[in-house]
Amino acid sequence: GENVEQHPSTLSVQEGDSAVIKCTYSDSASNYFPWYKQELGKRPQLIIDIRSNVGEKKDQRIAVTLNKTAKHFSLHITETQPEDSAVYFCAASRGGSYIPTFGRGTSLIVHP
Amino acid sequence: DAGVTQSPTHLIKTRGQQVTLRCSPKSGHDTVSWYQQALGQGPQFIFQYYEEEERQRGNFPDRFSGHQFPNYSSELNVNALLLGDSALYLCASSLAGGDEKLFFGSGTQLSVL
Repeated sequence: GENVEQHPSTLSVQEGDSAVIKCTYSDSASNYFPWYKQELGKRPQLIIDIRSNVGEKKDQRIAVTLNKTAKHFSLHITETQPEDSAVYFCAASRGGSYIPTFGRGTSLIVHP
Repeated sequence: DAGVTQSPTHLIKTRGQQVTLRCSPKSGHDTVSWYQQALGQGPQFIFQYYEEEERQRGNFPDRFSGHQFPNYSSELNVNALLLGDSALYLCASSLAGGDEKLFFGSGTQLSVL
């Protein structure tokens, strides 16, 4: 089955800095890669996703990049703000399965 | 437009007991997936229900079972509870044939003593 590795487990940055979270996946058939943000005590919420026919996708301060050959994908957050502090999960799934495999999460701490 | 709702929010049980968790999917969704999230870990897939049938199952023992009703709502049952079953149980809904986006409920925090 699919295996998703996520690094780092904890990331501490100053407000205004950029943050990068990296993931790798094992199943070459995976073609859908969502990212979820989970604030303390709340539900995971989808913040951005990318499909394998696209190399990069941006949404305001958030961007995701995908390298299919290397089976790497990354989340980039620019101009971080304290409200970006949360746990971020990457995931990978085969198209049509609706069953993403999640990474172990990255705790992002943004210091004011 | 109601999102995914789960009940109860918290539950305390003792070892050996049985528990039932409930989930109502987002309006318009027909597929329900259940995940177990241990403290400090990512969600782990338990099973998925579509058209009242278990469509896929993750690496969980038969003590974990489920059901989907005609209105698409779902239940997760866990028998013979173990201490290691303590976790946040998340329900996620999606639309078969749709854009693959999962919408999560707020979860049920299960503590087994």
